[in-house]
Amino acid sequence: AQSVTQPDIHITVSEGASLELRCNYSYGATPYLFWYVQSPGQGLQLLLKYFSGDTLVQGIKGFEAEFKRSQSSFNLRKPSVHWSDAAEYFCAVGAGYNNNDMRFGAGTRLTVKP
Amino acid sequence: KAGVTQTPRYLIKTRGQQVTLSCSPISGHRSVSWYQQTPGQGLQFLFEYFSETQRNKGNFPGRFSGRQFSNSRSEMNVSTLELGDSALYLCASSLGQNNQPQHFGDGTRLSIL
Repeated sequence: AQSVTQPDIHITVSEGASLELRCNYSYGATPYLFWYVQSPGQGLQLLLKYFSGDTLVQGIKGFEAEFKRSQSSFNLRKPSVHWSDAAEYFCAVGAGYNNNDMRFGAGTRLTVKP
Repeated sequence: KAGVTQTPRYLIKTRGQQVTLSCSPISGHRSVSWYQQTPGQGLQFLFEYFSETQRNKGNFPGRFSGRQFSNSRSEMNVSTLELGDSALYLCASSLGQNNQPQHFGDGTRLSIL
């Protein structure tokens, strides 16, 4: 079965600094990979997704992620963090038809220092 | 285009009661999935409905059930509530075809006293 590991529970960065959130997955076939963001009291918003093709995918809000099959990783990056990026970030892997059997990582909480 | 709507946003129940949560998907979406989110267990998949049929099911007891109506709206029911059922319940909808991402509602916060 597929699984996702987000090694960092909490990350703090200064506003304007670069950001990288780590995600490792376990899945036998080519995975469908997603990054979602959740603000307090709200649902999850899709940042970006990878299904196939170019391994560097661009998302909303200036985020990008790179799929590395050899490392089973799908790390999320942003060159310059804004205070509004403070939230919880979830990596997810989907399998099967419609990706409905999605497995989420435990999440990484991002704090942005002024 | 309206997003996924979940009602109610907040709910307080006592142990032993039952509860029904509602989810209205994005117009045109035929697939609705339900998730439970808790600080201890994170996000866990409950089940998914497509065209009024349960297509996939997670590892939850039979007290958790759901259904989907012909207009794709979905309800989730939890019977004989336990303290551990306190959680944020999230609903997500998608077109139901391969490679389509899920879009989440803001959730229903269920508290069990």
